[in-house]
Amino acid sequence: GAVVSQHPSWVICKSGTSVKIECRSLDFQATTMFWYRQFPKQSLMLMATSNEGSKATYEQGVEKDKFLINHASLTLSTLTVTSAHPEDSSFYICSASLFLQGALSYGYTFGSGTRLTVV
Amino acid sequence: EDKVVQSPLSLVVHEGDTVTLNCSYEVTNFRSLLWYKQEKKAPTFLFMLTSSGIEKKSGRLSSILDKKELFSILNITATQTGDSAIYLCAVWHGGSQGNLIFGKGTKLSVKP
Repeated sequence: GAVVSQHPSWVICKSGTSVKIECRSLDFQATTMFWYRQFPKQSLMLMATSNEGSKATYEQGVEKDKFLINHASLTLSTLTVTSAHPEDSSFYICSASLFLQGALSYGYTFGSGTRLTVV
Repeated sequence: EDKVVQSPLSLVVHEGDTVTLNCSYEVTNFRSLLWYKQEKKAPTFLFMLTSSGIEKKSGRLSSILDKKELFSILNITATQTGDSAIYLCAVWHGGSQGNLIFGKGTKLSVKP
């Protein structure tokens, strides 16, 4: 249970283009999805928290116009890196959770991650 | 400032050894502490600890939380080369939909 699928696993794009990454909860409805970024040999850094049907909450220092997050349904959230630049190259990971009555009821499972390389 | 500190940062052992990984935390509105194993891709979930003093076990892995002293340990007995990975400790904090704060991880290398 608590399976989270992330797609694509890796992507190479040209500088200036946009890339969309999908995160799906396959066997549960995720009220909340989190997007993380991980640089080599570093721990995960939270970028934003998205709740289904509402705007994402971004962490300090994360550009909301650069990293567009959509959480249109209880099973799907997308992260779009707009006008990508080489410094956006990184490992992006999502996680999905189900909170019921303020408690973590199910999940906090990570997707398999997306390796983005901007050339 | 909320923080999660793991130690050691790296560890090299031989197959069959027992290892103990440490995680201490200082966070407001603590909810739970989670352990993950990260190999080449995304972290995989190991344990979630919410109550103090109750050991959780899964095969050769076990973990326990001390909410008074604000730390947790992850034990791995009879280590195997497949245990080589980065082990991440994270604390779930804050409001009803709070996020995780991660430690820097412990890199475990198990030599044959």
